[in-house]
Amino acid sequence: DAGVTQSPTHLIKTRGQQVTLRCSPKSGHDTVSWYQQALGQGPQFIFQYYEEEERQRGNFPDRFSGHQFPNYSSELNVNALLLGDSALYLCASSWGQNSNQPQHFGDGTRLSIL
Amino acid sequence: DQQVKQNSPSLSVQEGRISILNCDYTNSMFDYFLWYKKYPAEGPTFLISISSIKDKNEDGRFTVFLNKSAKHLSLHIVPSQPGDSAVYFCAASLPYNNNDMRFGAGTRLTVKP
Repeated sequence: DAGVTQSPTHLIKTRGQQVTLRCSPKSGHDTVSWYQQALGQGPQFIFQYYEEEERQRGNFPDRFSGHQFPNYSSELNVNALLLGDSALYLCASSWGQNSNQPQHFGDGTRLSIL
Repeated sequence: DQQVKQNSPSLSVQEGRISILNCDYTNSMFDYFLWYKKYPAEGPTFLISISSIKDKNEDGRFTVFLNKSAKHLSLHIVPSQPGDSAVYFCAASLPYNNNDMRFGAGTRLTVKP
């Protein structure tokens, strides 16, 4: 039973570039959320995808966008990268949009902006 | 606006003793609280949760206490083991919105043999 998988594990980009991060949810899960974790801080909610639509969004600019595919996997896209976008990006999955089930996290993608 | 706060960045305890990790929140509308454990180079792992209709939930060595009037929750680990050494995150969510979790900054627990 595969858990949440994310790719790539590490990525280095320069300012102004664009990046795409990928996530496959845990088997049986249909909801994917993305979080940004800066150094020394807790994860911050970016957005949630359910039934291929963005359902909830945190306090992040439009440079952050996403997509969910029919197989429930998801992508996070960040345009016009800034130095402050350097962080660990975590994907979390769960079953159902509003079920009281804990989210399961992947190991994250470490994004470094030079 | 940090709605969930973990004011102790680190905690060190002796193996076999009790570890108590604390968390405060400001939004009285939160109704679901969770603790996650994180090892280096791994994602957070769910540990234990509690609904706002309860004041205690227990799972083996782990117990979470919720004091709604004080907007405070705590995680007790008894007895503490060296393998418990990790960063512990407290998280909270609003009704019908539990996929948007608000996290504290974490507390690094070190359990010494």
